[in-house]
Amino acid sequence: SQQGEEDPQALSIQEGENATMNCSYKTSINNLQWYRQNSGRGLVHLILIRSNEREKHSGRLRVTLDTSKKSSSLLITASRAADTASYFCAIPYNQGGKLIFGQGTELSVKP
Amino acid sequence: NAGVTQTPKFRVLKTGQSMTLLCAQDMNHEYMYWYRQDPGMGLRLIHYSVGEGTTAKGEVPDGYNVSRLKKQNFLLGLESAAPSQTSVYFCASCPRGENGYTFGSGTRLTVV
Repeated sequence: SQQGEEDPQALSIQEGENATMNCSYKTSINNLQWYRQNSGRGLVHLILIRSNEREKHSGRLRVTLDTSKKSSSLLITASRAADTASYFCAIPYNQGGKLIFGQGTELSVKP
Repeated sequence: NAGVTQTPKFRVLKTGQSMTLLCAQDMNHEYMYWYRQDPGMGLRLIHYSVGEGTTAKGEVPDGYNVSRLKKQNFLLGLESAAPSQTSVYFCASCPRGENGYTFGSGTRLTVV
């Protein structure tokens, strides 16, 4: 399966700390995407990183991609209680823009 | 600009009943998708469409049908609902090319 696998499955930290989530995959990819899902809501697209990029930033988010290790990481710096959510990596497969999602990392940020 | 709108938000069906879930997007996106999300299973692709009048099967298409008669709408039908179809259903859309998805807020369906 090409499915991205997130690690850890769950992460609990204090406000102000950094949170790091990892995603591993098995085949060659053109890009990798990260999404956030708040409880009971739809997923929200955070970042798309292309295979020729090693690092990308968006506000307090930093994503890295290592195609040789087939892995990506999402770092949230100076976390806030509002960052509490599930985070998913998504891998494109075949044609038609299809994405396969990992199981997600459940992040809890305690005030 | 509403993005992706799903209706209804909640529904309870009896086994054997039929229903249609509606997804509407106002971003002129070419591609649209229906996923289901179940605990421990992540999101699984049911059907998708790469343009008006086209549909294709995803990972778990059995028991579902779809139609995309208009570019902005993507309908998901359950012909004869089963308890195994109890799930949260998400619609998503994106432009052609390498782009992120815009998701709807989901439909929580319970089949009893």
